[in-house]
Amino acid sequence: NAGVTQTPKFQVLKTGQSMTLQCAQDMNHEYMSWYRQDPGMGLRLIHYSVGAGITDQGEVPNGYNVSRSTTEDFPLRLLSAAPSQTSVYFCASRPSGRTDTQYFGPGTRLTVL
Amino acid sequence: EDQVTQSPEALRLQEGESSSLNCSYTVSGLRGLFWYRQDPGKGPEFLFTLYSAGEEKEKERLKATLTKKESFLHITAPKPEDSATYLCAVQARGSGNTGKLIFGQGTTLQVKP
Repeated sequence: NAGVTQTPKFQVLKTGQSMTLQCAQDMNHEYMSWYRQDPGMGLRLIHYSVGAGITDQGEVPNGYNVSRSTTEDFPLRLLSAAPSQTSVYFCASRPSGRTDTQYFGPGTRLTVL
Repeated sequence: EDQVTQSPEALRLQEGESSSLNCSYTVSGLRGLFWYRQDPGKGPEFLFTLYSAGEEKEKERLKATLTKKESFLHITAPKPEDSATYLCAVQARGSGNTGKLIFGQGTTLQVKP
């Protein structure tokens, strides 16, 4: 198993550009989520999905879109990048059932100029 | 408001010098408390889940404990390879399907040979 994978690892954007951060997992996990990590702020939940076709907003959803067409993939779209979206983005997934343990990907470091 | 506070922010130890990291939490009903290890440039790596006061979990040189207000991560006879940032997170009972984890800001541990 590759676990949770994310691409790209690094990305630089100009203000106003759009892009998609990719996330995939090969563990057949139903639950997937996106977090951003900022210095002094800890990790904060952006969006989450409890299964294919079902998504919902987390704590800081503004400026981001998600979709979940398959169990494996959960892309995060930045519609019009802003400097405030400079951050490290982590995708996570969780097995179905009683466990609440989430497993994180390696992250994407995004800089918006 | 649900909140997690970790202390100290940074900790320097000599190899073999045991110590403890603290995670204080305020949550409206605890569903679970999680410890993660994060190496520079990588995603959080799951260590432990604790569900109820009095519970303890161990893995190699690490032992996590839980009370009604805080959790400790005890590191016994640490080695340089234990150097990392340790993150604490809680999931509130009212979080439902969101799976939202509330993270502390982390403790950065450096173990010198």
